[in-house]
Amino acid sequence: NAGVTQTPKFQVLKTGQSMTLQCAQDMNHEYMSWYRQDPGMGLRLIHYSVGAGITDQGEVPNGYNVSRSTTEDFPLRLLSAAPSQTSVYFCASTTGGNTEAFFGQGTRLTVV
Amino acid sequence: GQQVMQIPQYQHVQEGEDFTTYCNSSTTLSNIQWYKQRPGGHPVFLIQLVKSGEVKKQKRLTFQFGEAKKNSSLHITATQTTDVGTYFCAEPLWGTDKLIFGTGTRLQVFP
Repeated sequence: NAGVTQTPKFQVLKTGQSMTLQCAQDMNHEYMSWYRQDPGMGLRLIHYSVGAGITDQGEVPNGYNVSRSTTEDFPLRLLSAAPSQTSVYFCASTTGGNTEAFFGQGTRLTVV
Repeated sequence: GQQVMQIPQYQHVQEGEDFTTYCNSSTTLSNIQWYKQRPGGHPVFLIQLVKSGEVKKQKRLTFQFGEAKKNSSLHITATQTTDVGTYFCAEPLWGTDKLIFGTGTRLQVFP
């Protein structure tokens, strides 16, 4: 099992550009989440999904869109990147019910 | 809103010394989880506590859940250089399955 796979690992964007961070899991988990990690801020929840076709906002959703068309994939879209979105992004999946979260390796994004 | 406070933010210890990090919530929790993130890595699940006053041990790590289920601690006995990293507590946002993380405690161990 690969677990949770994120691509790309590193990305540099110019302000105003758009991009999609990919996240895929092969554990048949219903619950998937996106977090961003900034120094001194811990991990903050961006968006969340409890299954295909169902998404919900987290603590810091502005500037990000998500969709969940399959159980396996949960892409995160930045429509118009801003320097404030420079961060490390982690995707996570769980079976739900407040169980152990499995994290991807992360995507380090820099917006210039 | 619901907040997760974690202290201290940083801790530097000499190898062999003990280390403790504390997590305090503004609400009564159904459960709390602990994660470790090595430098440059991703968070990895350590343990989940569910019962009031629960104490669990993993080798040199001792995890405790407060009697009122509003706080938790992680204690490492006789730290080693392999313990270096950031330790996070995480709790479910009240009434949901969304996992909210504390700000983390970064542990540095000097040989």
